[in-house]
Amino acid sequence: GDSVTQMEGPVTLSEEAFLTINCTYTATGYPSLFWYVQYPGEGLQLLLKATKADDKGSNKGFEATYRKETTSFHLEKGSVQVSDSAVYFCALSEDTGRRALTFGSGTRLQVQP
Amino acid sequence: DAGVIQSPRHEVTEMGQEVTLRCKPISGHNSLFWYRQTMMRGLELLIYFNNNVPIDDSGMPEDRFSAKMPNASFSTLKIQPSEPRDSAVYFCASSPTGALNTEAFFGQGTRLTVV
Repeated sequence: GDSVTQMEGPVTLSEEAFLTINCTYTATGYPSLFWYVQYPGEGLQLLLKATKADDKGSNKGFEATYRKETTSFHLEKGSVQVSDSAVYFCALSEDTGRRALTFGSGTRLQVQP
Repeated sequence: DAGVIQSPRHEVTEMGQEVTLRCKPISGHNSLFWYRQTMMRGLELLIYFNNNVPIDDSGMPEDRFSAKMPNASFSTLKIQPSEPRDSAVYFCASSPTGALNTEAFFGQGTRLTVV
């Protein structure tokens, strides 16, 4: 079945540092890939998505590129802010069959001033 | 639109009691999902509906859990009887069908504590 693997957290960075959160996936078809963010006490919000190979999703300074050859969708940001502190989830949905999202385990990011 | 609305936000109940969680999806969305979030298991899909019909309930833990969607604007997740291991945050999400690879919109969740 489908699965998503994320790097373990927490990731602790200083403000303005470069961020990478690794995500790899296993899927039978041609999935779409997503990054969601969860702030404390809140539900998940879509951060960015990519629907086909080599697409780059971007939003709020974050970006991720759909790499089919390495089955990866790593999240990056050039300069993090304290307000980016949250839990980040990588997810996929298949293009056929079950349409529900399959999530990774989440990576907690803590940004210190 | 107000987004996906869940109630209650917090629920504390005693073991053995019945618990009902409620969800109002975004108007016009045809798919509805119930997820459970715990520290140990992360986000797990419990069940999902399409046009009010349950499509995949393979994630429902056991017979104590049941979910209904009597119409396009309302769904419930019921646990009877509840147990301490059911303590978690339960999220409802909705998305429009007919569009491939569409994001799901999440509610703020219900934090359930069973003592």
